[in-house]
Formats: sequence, structure tokens, C-alpha cells
Amino acid sequence: DIQMTQSPSSLSASVGDRVTITCRASQGISNYLAWYQQKPGKVPKLLIYAASTLQSGVPSRFSGSGSGTDFTLTISSLQPEDVATYYCQKYDSALATFGQGTKVEIK
Amino acid sequence: EVQLVESGGGLVQPGGSLRLSCAASGFTFNTYSMNWVRQAPGKGLEWISYISGGSSNKYYADSVKGRFTISRDNAKNSLYLQMNSLRGEDTAVYYCAARFDAFHIWGRGTLVTVSS
Repeated sequence: DIQMTQSPSSLSASVGDRVTITCRASQGISNYLAWYQQKPGKVPKLLIYAASTLQSGVPSRFSGSGSGTDFTLTISSLQPEDVATYYCQKYDSALATFGQGTKVEIK
Repeated sequence: EVQLVESGGGLVQPGGSLRLSCAASGFTFNTYSMNWVRQAPGKGLEWISYISGGSSNKYYADSVKGRFTISRDNAKNSLYLQMNSLRGEDTAVYYCAARFDAFHIWGRGTLVTVSS
């Protein structure tokens, strides 16, 4: 089975900072990669699919890139409302494995 | 309004069984593959099961294979998860999610607690 590894597991950054989260697949998954945001006590929310396509309604400060095995989620200017845990997910097959999550906090 | 609503969670003893339901509305249910995802307290998201739109294909995570069974009734716009031989490590919030490509639609979840 393909494993998804995110880094870092947590980060603390200041408001306005550029934040980057990486996700690595143990085998190539083309661009079948999604990113989700989960705020404390809330349901996961789809941010990006197909590695770089922004879901409708998601602020443009979020962006995704990558293909194959290495992917990146970038928040161009961190806002207080972005405090959350972010998960990557592969969906190249029915087995839609998630990464372990990256917790983002404000410094 | 596009919506998924889970039900059926609760407290169950180890070794017991529970059946979760997920009611869909606001979209063409039978054109979406459906999934169950769970989240143990303080832990990350774990995909556990998939069913195709016509029920011909079903897949399970190793952690639940042989104990859980996914099914759907397209006439009732409903998804189910039959959970048998429950263990403490199955304690989690269980979400149903509709997959167009990624998981675009999520329910609010139902809590399953396995404890004596």
C-alpha cells in the first residue's frame, strides 16, 4: 500500500508569514492528491484537489503544487483563521490514504 | 442543500456490533462513490472503506477488514457501515464522505465509543 508522509507534524508561524507543508507519497500517484483543512472540533474541509486545483470558495492565499511523489501546500500569508490541522490525501485508487496531519498555530 | 447526515453511533461493549447510517440529500447519490473515514480522539483522519456507485466494488482498510461491511441503498439515498467484533481502538468519530474525485462532501460525523 502507498503511504503518505507529511512534514512537519506541527509548525508555529506569525500572521502574514508564508507557510509551506509538504506531503510525500511512497509511490507515484500522478496528481491524485488533495489537501483538507480541519479546524478544532469541525468537519474536514476540502481545500485543493488534483494537486493544485482550488476548491470553490477557498481563499486564494492557499495553493498546491507537485506531481508524482512530492507535493506542497502553501499559505501565502497566514491568517488567524488558518489555525487548523492540514491533511494530504491520495486518491489514485479506492484506497484513499491520508497523511498524518500538520498542525498549524500562530506564533 | 447538499448534505450528508450520519446516525447510529453510541456506546457499545468490546466484541459488540453497531450499524451506522448516512443519509444523503441535495445531490445525485447513485453517481458518487461513498466512503467512511474515522478519527480517533486526538488523532488524524483514517480512511476505512469505499463503495462504488453501483455497489460492485468495495474496499476496506486492513484495520477493519473482515469485521466491517459497507453497503448502500441508492433507492433510499443511504450508506451503511455494519461494524462487528468492535474493539477499543475502533472508538472514533465516523464520517461518511462522497467522492467525486477527492472527498468533496462530508457529514458531521457520529461518535462510536467501544468500552465496557
